[in-house]
Amino acid sequence: EAGVAQSPRYKIIEKRQSVAFWCNPISGHATLYWYQQILGQGPKLLIQFQNNGVVDDSQLPKDRFSAERLKGVDSTLKIQPAKLEDSAVYLCASSFTTHKSGELFFGEGSRLTVL
Amino acid sequence: AQSVTQLGSHVSVSEGALVLLRCNYSSSVPPYLFWYVQYPNQGLQLLLKYTTGATLVKGINGFEAEFKKSETSFHLTKPSAHMSDAAEYFCAVEGQAGTALIFGKGTTLSVSS
Repeated sequence: EAGVAQSPRYKIIEKRQSVAFWCNPISGHATLYWYQQILGQGPKLLIQFQNNGVVDDSQLPKDRFSAERLKGVDSTLKIQPAKLEDSAVYLCASSFTTHKSGELFFGEGSRLTVL
Repeated sequence: AQSVTQLGSHVSVSEGALVLLRCNYSSSVPPYLFWYVQYPNQGLQLLLKYTTGATLVKGINGFEAEFKKSETSFHLTKPSAHMSDAAEYFCAVEGQAGTALIFGKGTTLSVSS
């Protein structure tokens, strides 16, 4: 089966510019996650969707980050305006269920460099 | 709240040596615990998971981990390291039911010949 697809793989922007990342989860996976992985740290959850509804966005910096999953399938994560500290890899993951022990399947990530 | 602590940001072993990566967790509810591996420029891949039942869990590529409630630990081991095991390893705990995984900071494993 096809895995989680993310694009672009790499993006370099100047601070205060905007950027958008796209994710297409595995077919049939109801739950979609965006994680931020800063160099040297573990992934940190930004937002979790169940179908097209938000389950958890408590760690999403809402003044600059936004995410949507309009039709309950693919998702877009936007940053506007970007700051230097947003340099990170943005990982998208999906799972069939939100019930405990549901395995997460990760995409290869989108690496953002903010200059 | 749930959290995990990975002891040692970098572990180096020789090929054929024992691999031991340490993870301690904190959880107010019975935890579900995971180990993920990340190869360079790739996404995370599940190595193994503990949910309920047998406390010794076997995963892919010869890795295993043991859940020890008394020590709040879930250490990852492999009897004999291979060069291809060089990667970053993340321990994770599942939060409250229906919530996302919480990851540790990761341990980079280097394997020398």
